[in-house]
Amino acid sequence: NAGVTQTPKFQVLKTGQSMTLQCAQDMNHNSMYWYRQDPGMGLRLIYYSASEGTTDKGEVPNGYNVSRLNKREFSLRLESAAPSQTSVYFCASIAGGANEKLFFGSGTQLSVL
Amino acid sequence: QKEVEQNSGPLSVPEGAIASLNCTYSDRGSQSFFWYRQYSGKSPELIMSIYSNGDKEDGRFTAQLNKASQYVSLLIRDSQPSDSATYLCAVNKGGNQFYFGTGTSLTVIP
Repeated sequence: NAGVTQTPKFQVLKTGQSMTLQCAQDMNHNSMYWYRQDPGMGLRLIYYSASEGTTDKGEVPNGYNVSRLNKREFSLRLESAAPSQTSVYFCASIAGGANEKLFFGSGTQLSVL
Repeated sequence: QKEVEQNSGPLSVPEGAIASLNCTYSDRGSQSFFWYRQYSGKSPELIMSIYSNGDKEDGRFTAQLNKASQYVSLLIRDSQPSDSATYLCAVNKGGNQFYFGTGTSLTVIP
């Protein structure tokens, strides 16, 4: 049982480059999330998808776009990377309903030079 | 104003002592509250959830909720070196929007 799988685990970009972070879950969860974690800042919600076909902005959406490709997959795209987007990115999912436990992926360490 | 506020610490306690972690939240309509533990370089993992005012105990962990004061706390009894981690408070604002605090770094000294 893989849970939540994120790719890649590490990435280095130059300013202005674009990339997509991939996330997939095999638990048939309804809701999926993208967070970023910076030192001393905790986890900040970028975007979330409450259900297949819907996406909503979180606390820090600027500079990012998302796609809920199907129930399993939720991708995060940086169109023009900036040094301020250097961070660790976590994808998470929950089943929904009474079960509110977030399951996290292993994270993506992104550096923008 | 941040949705969830925590003292960043660091908090140091001797082995066997009680560690007390605190959190406040801004949205009075929030219904669900959580404590996640995160070891360095790892993903967060859920250790406690609480939904009603009062205390909820699970082993050495006790979560406390006071909705009138918009305050959530976590007590760790008989602290062990393996409890050394960052503890993140999280709130479900409704509609499955989960917001986290900045985390409190805990070190348990043998």
